[in-house]
Amino acid sequence: GESVGLHLPTLSVQEGDNSIINCAYSNSASDYFIWYKQESGKGPQFIIDIRSNMDKRQGQRVTVLLNKTVKHLSLQIAATQPGDSAVYFCAENLGGGADGLTFGKGTHLIIQP
Amino acid sequence: DADVTQTPRNRITKTGKRIMLECSQTKGHDRMYWYRQDPGLGLRLIYYSFDVKDINKGEISDGYSVSRQAQAKFSLSLESAIPNQTALYFCATSPGHNYGYTFGSGTRLTVV
Repeated sequence: GESVGLHLPTLSVQEGDNSIINCAYSNSASDYFIWYKQESGKGPQFIIDIRSNMDKRQGQRVTVLLNKTVKHLSLQIAATQPGDSAVYFCAENLGGGADGLTFGKGTHLIIQP
Repeated sequence: DADVTQTPRNRITKTGKRIMLECSQTKGHDRMYWYRQDPGLGLRLIYYSFDVKDINKGEISDGYSVSRQAQAKFSLSLESAIPNQTALYFCATSPGHNYGYTFGSGTRLTVV
């Protein structure tokens, strides 16, 4: 069946650099996408979301880009800090009244000092 | 107090036992969800509820049941636990379709 997936299971970046985490989705009916951050021993924490009628959305130090043509979603984190170390999940919600986010498998972001 | 509270935080149970995981929320949201997290598989939806009278199966509902006792309470039961139900379980709430979820801290369940 259709699913949300991530390109890289682990991403290592230098502190202060920008991080880009990618996600591919295959369900063209999805109309809502979210990025979550999960630290060890904690539940997923909402970072930023984007609806399918948008291409880009910015938050504090984070930007989400949506390319519906190639079904690709990315999370950009500016000036990465040690506290950004976590597993990052993308998730999609199907349109048409269906509910229940479908999550990708996650990318582990490691910050090098 | 946390917006979404799950109890217990950790539980070890024996194969064949019945166990209930509880979730309560103070967000005032109508929608509540139960997810299971396994290493390498991400989070998978077990059940979700739009309100007290509306319960829906998710991707992996077999072996589980739920009860929505009130708007604020949504419990997950394993009628006869088996070892492959060992996982991290998360409850979440949302105010409606296409809004972000607020997750609890999770319940780590081990079935031996």
